[in-house]
Amino acid sequence: GQSLEQPSEVTAVEGAIVQINCTYQTSGFYGLSWYQQHDGGAPTFLSYNGLDGLEETGRFSSFLSRSDSYGYLLLQELQMKDSASYFCAPPPGGGNKLTFGTGTQLKVEL
Amino acid sequence: DADVTQTPRNRITKTGKRIMLECSQTKGHDRMYWYRQDPGLGLRLIYYSFDVKDINKGEISDGYSVSRQAQAKFSLSLESAIPNQTALYFCATSDTRAAPPGAQYFGPGTRLTVL
Repeated sequence: GQSLEQPSEVTAVEGAIVQINCTYQTSGFYGLSWYQQHDGGAPTFLSYNGLDGLEETGRFSSFLSRSDSYGYLLLQELQMKDSASYFCAPPPGGGNKLTFGTGTQLKVEL
Repeated sequence: DADVTQTPRNRITKTGKRIMLECSQTKGHDRMYWYRQDPGLGLRLIYYSFDVKDINKGEISDGYSVSRQAQAKFSLSLESAIPNQTALYFCATSDTRAAPPGAQYFGPGTRLTVL
């Protein structure tokens, strides 16, 4: 079957580093995207990993290991505005119909 | 102007009614998607289209149909709405020619309530 698993909630303090993990099982996999969604808003694209390794974009980095069907999003120097839900999402296509999942709600505290 | 627009933004309807949600984009992207979001269930893919002549079922297509009228327009229909289709619906686009390839761009969403 196809599945995406992320922790449902993560809490961290302002200025800290947090890692949000994602494990997946899907057919036609060719990469992993990460999205951020604030309450009441639309998801916004953060990063994409098409190959194994680390991609860095400012305070955010994303990692992929295709052999382990595993990825993570790393958020550094946390700010209050980073409080949101974060989704890992294999792009649809190639037999994959499973995109997004329940996501991880990140709460940043003072 | 927004790149991906959805109409209506809010809709309340009754069980059994036919409903159409519309999505338009000015990004020139070839791929379009419809998702629904329910509290606690995240985003789930309903249908997607990789070009005007291509329509694919997603994870939860039962009870829905779509039409890709043009590259820029992708509409979602509920032929006979039922209460468990009450949800927040998002349209999204992506571009196979662009980098990064996995980026989808979302509209503001349509909040649908079926009574």
